[in-house]
Amino acid sequence: NAGVTQTPKFRVLKTGQSMTLLCAQDMNHEYMYWYRQDPGMGLRLIHYSVGEGTTAKGEVPDGYNVSRLKKQNFLLGLESAAPSQTSVYFCASSTGTGEYNEQFFGPGTRLTVL
Amino acid sequence: GQNIDQPTEMTATEGAIVQINCTYQTSGFNGLFWYQQHAGEAPTFLSYNVLDGLEEKGRFSSFLSRSKGYSYLLLKELQMKDSASYLCAPTDSNYQLIWGAGTKLIIKP
Repeated sequence: NAGVTQTPKFRVLKTGQSMTLLCAQDMNHEYMYWYRQDPGMGLRLIHYSVGEGTTAKGEVPDGYNVSRLKKQNFLLGLESAAPSQTSVYFCASSTGTGEYNEQFFGPGTRLTVL
Repeated sequence: GQNIDQPTEMTATEGAIVQINCTYQTSGFNGLFWYQQHAGEAPTFLSYNVLDGLEEKGRFSSFLSRSKGYSYLLLKELQMKDSASYLCAPTDSNYQLIWGAGTKLIIKP
């Protein structure tokens, strides 16, 4: 099992460009999450999904959109990239049920917006 | 509101013991996770506590006091590979993890 995978691993964008980050999991998890992590700060939740076809806003959703058309995939879109979106983006998944809701993380995408 | 407080950075010596504290306030509570994150890598699961007391797993132990909103991670027989950030993450009433900023642990020979 690959677990959680993310593509691409690195990307450099110019201000105003758009892009999509792909997350895939093969653990049949219901819940999927997109986080960003900046130096000196904890993981901040951007958007999450509790099942195929559903999405919800997290703590910092502005400037991002998501889609969960298939259970195993969770896409994060940047509509018009800004330098403030330079960050490391992590995708995670979990069963989402019950009290033991361990999240499994992908390797991350390092995004730089110039 | 929701708040997690843990030290920003700690330094310890190889072979020694270190305790990383975490205090939290969340809207509801359903257990607490500790994750390890090496520089440039993804967080990985270390431990989970839902009941008061100590959970031991090899060189790592984690303690929880629900009434005090307090947890700690205890690392014994420190090795250089333990240099990493340690993230405290209590869960809220919806079982979702609330992430602290993490404690960067530096191990010196």
